[in-house]
Amino acid sequence: SQELEQSPQSLIVQEGKNLTINCTSSKTLYGLYWYKQKYGEGLIFLMMLQKGGEEKSHEKITAKLDEKKQQSSLHITASQPSHAGIYLCGADSNAGKSTFGDGTTLTVKP
Amino acid sequence: NAGVTQTPKFHILKTGQSMTLQCAQDMNHGYLSWYRQDPGMGLRRIHYSVAAGITDKGEVPDGYNVSRSNTEDFPLRLESAAPSQTSVYFCASSYGDEKLFFGSGTQLSVL
Repeated sequence: SQELEQSPQSLIVQEGKNLTINCTSSKTLYGLYWYKQKYGEGLIFLMMLQKGGEEKSHEKITAKLDEKKQQSSLHITASQPSHAGIYLCGADSNAGKSTFGDGTTLTVKP
Repeated sequence: NAGVTQTPKFHILKTGQSMTLQCAQDMNHGYLSWYRQDPGMGLRRIHYSVAAGITDKGEVPDGYNVSRSNTEDFPLRLESAAPSQTSVYFCASSYGDEKLFFGSGTQLSVL
């Protein structure tokens, strides 16, 4: 089965600092999703990556999928308190199954 | 602890048939939710519950019903299945605003 390893498990940054969250798979990823979990709102879909080397940005959040399609990173520039939450990666395998990372808890200190 | 248990893993329905997807958790989590995952759209929340006796609609509730009679179980019912409900369904739970724990998913095809 495909396992997704997310790192770090938790992160505390000062407001204004940049940060990166990683999601690594032992197998090729056929679809990689990034979500943000907000209590009471469930999971908020951030971005989806499919092609090796693909990069997408939304506001101050950038997600990349490496050329081998086994690792993705989520980068936040100039973090704000509104970025705080739990970030989760999820992936499709070529067998049509999905799996999820354990999540990264982000705290942004004002 | 088994965590979050979903049954069945796979199912095929004909249009108009009804069925119930089962979700059970043994971690004493208050929050339970159902998501559907479709290609290119990621997970979308269908219904959720913050405690026994309380349920709320998510993003895509139409065509689905839920109930929460106790802490452990959160069944999702399709009363009259439609081909648009072909999807992979995930049940997830959490304790308050902590990380979500996911079931292994149910792959549902509606013909």
